[in-house]
Amino acid sequence: GAVVSQHPSRVICKSGTSVKIECRSLDFQATTMFWYRQFPKKSLMLMATSNEGSKATYEQGVEKDKFLINHASLTLSTLTVTSAHPEDSSFYICSASRDPRADTQYFGPGTRLTVL
Amino acid sequence: AQSVAQPEDQVNVAEGNPLTVKCTYSVSGNPYLFWYVQYPNRGLQFLLKYITGDNLVKGSYGFEAEFNKSQTSFHLKKPSALVSDSALYFCAVSHSGGYQKVTFGTGTKLQVIP
Repeated sequence: GAVVSQHPSRVICKSGTSVKIECRSLDFQATTMFWYRQFPKKSLMLMATSNEGSKATYEQGVEKDKFLINHASLTLSTLTVTSAHPEDSSFYICSASRDPRADTQYFGPGTRLTVL
Repeated sequence: AQSVAQPEDQVNVAEGNPLTVKCTYSVSGNPYLFWYVQYPNRGLQFLLKYITGDNLVKGSYGFEAEFNKSQTSFHLKKPSALVSDSALYFCAVSHSGGYQKVTFGTGTKLQVIP
């Protein structure tokens, strides 16, 4: 149990276009989903926390208008990188939790975004 | 503020030998501690967690970790390393008392040498 999927696994896009990444909890309902960004050989940087049916909470320094997060249901959250630029190229990972207070976060396999 | 330190960027160990990956933490209140493993170009996989109870926590793939409150440590251990254990390991902490985000360490690359 506790499987999280991400789609797509990798995407290449042109500068200025928008890219949507989906995160799904396949066998449990996720009250909370998290979006991380991971740079090469670096730890995970939390970008935002999303709760189903409410607005996402963004970490300091993360542009909410650039990284749009929607948590439409208890099993789906989406991250849209708007007007992508080469510096947005990264590995984006989502995680889902049944209960953010104490429960384990279950991670998706990640999405490699390359902006040309 | 909470933080996690993984003092070793890389740990090398011979196959069959015991391994230890170090982690220390700083948090106010009671800590929730986690270990995750990441294989290349993959997401993180949960290994084990400490919430309360026994200080020695057993997890997936034969890994275990010992919670030491006085030393604020949560080192990951395995009695006999496998080549397939080679990966990037992350320690993480949050704390009790309502929702708090999880803070991850910088990761330790484990290399098991055949």
